[in-house]
Amino acid sequence: GENVEQHPSTLSVQEGDSAVIKCTYSDSASNYFPWYKQELGKGPQLIIDIRSNVGEKKDQRIAVTLNKTAKHFSLHITETQPEDSAVYFCAAMWDSGGSNYKLTFGKGTLLTVNP
Amino acid sequence: DVKVTQSSRYLVKRTGEKVFLECVQDMDHENMFWYRQDPGLGLRLIYFSYDVKMKEKGDIPEGYSVSREKKERFSLILESASTNQTSMYLCASSPFDSLQETQYFGPGTRLLVL
Repeated sequence: GENVEQHPSTLSVQEGDSAVIKCTYSDSASNYFPWYKQELGKGPQLIIDIRSNVGEKKDQRIAVTLNKTAKHFSLHITETQPEDSAVYFCAAMWDSGGSNYKLTFGKGTLLTVNP
Repeated sequence: DVKVTQSSRYLVKRTGEKVFLECVQDMDHENMFWYRQDPGLGLRLIYFSYDVKMKEKGDIPEGYSVSREKKERFSLILESASTNQTSMYLCASSPFDSLQETQYFGPGTRLLVL
């Protein structure tokens, strides 16, 4: 199976600063890497994803980079705002057999943006 | 918009009770998943289903069972609830097409077993 490590577990930044969260994975066959944001009292919501044939993807203030050789991927949030405060999860998708795809999640990063 | 709903936001049950958690999705997705979320442990997969009446064990199936009688509904069953099953339970769904792997999550059910 897949193993995903996520760091740091907590991250505190000042409003306007950048935040970076890093994940590593073990299965070189994994080919899809989503990032989820979970606000207090809500389920995780997809914020950005990247596929293995792409090295970087941007969506406004959010970007994700992927290094397949090193088997790590990162979430970058620029110009952070208080509403970015949440728990962020990375995940890696792998084939569990018979074209059944499963996500393995990192343990999450609690991001706090201080006004 | 994809909508995944869970029958309860909060539940309080006693040890030994049989507990049903219900999940419904409205996007005709083939895949449905049950996770539990615990502080410091992230999301762990309990069971998943790729079709009606089909189920497969995830990483932590012990003490749980599931039922998928209709495509839109996936139930998680705790046959005899125990205190170590106190947790947040999250349901998710996704299309079968491997090119569309995004999982859409419900709001979660916070279960307390006394």
